[in-house]
Amino acid sequence: EDQVTQSPEALRLQEGESSSLNCSYTVSGLRGLFWYRQDPGKGPEFLFTLYSAGEEKEKERLKATLTKKESFLHITAPKPEDSATYLCAVTNSGGYQKVTFGTGTKLQVIP
Amino acid sequence: DVKVTQSSRYLVKRTGEKVFLECVQDMDHENMFWYRQDPGLGLRLIYFSYDVKMKEKGDIPEGYSVSREKKERFSLILESASTNQTSMYLCASRSNQPQHFGDGTRLSIL
Repeated sequence: EDQVTQSPEALRLQEGESSSLNCSYTVSGLRGLFWYRQDPGKGPEFLFTLYSAGEEKEKERLKATLTKKESFLHITAPKPEDSATYLCAVTNSGGYQKVTFGTGTKLQVIP
Repeated sequence: DVKVTQSSRYLVKRTGEKVFLECVQDMDHENMFWYRQDPGLGLRLIYFSYDVKMKEKGDIPEGYSVSREKKERFSLILESASTNQTSMYLCASRSNQPQHFGDGTRLSIL
């Protein structure tokens, strides 16, 4: 059974204080790893897809990286508007590409 | 941009009621999904559909059913609502990955 574990559960940063969120996974044939951002009372918003170890994607202050066992979401010089819950998910190579989600990291950036 | 629209943001119902949650997508996606999201449990798949009139059970289908009569619309039905079905319900759609989500329905069963 595919599993996704995210750490830490919650993270509080000062504005400008860079840090990383971790997503550890076990999956039977990784087809893709996804990062989403979720604001309170809203649905998850897609950020990145990573397909193979060594791949990196960037968007503004966010950079996602992937190894064979985990993914990191690096946040450089965060701003208060980066406060949200960040979700990691994986999909396997099975017939209907089931997606398994982690429980998320709640990030708070303080001015 | 993909648009997934859920008919209600907030809904309050009584135990035993039949409840309908509606979801519409505007990108002609073949696949549509219903999840529930609970603190500490993450997103759990209830049902999904890969074509009109087709449906498959997800991980937690008990107490729910679905309907997909048109490609753009996917409905979740709580046959007889119970308090343990109080949750945030999220609809998603996709052609290939990734999934795109609606803004959710916060459902309270009293």
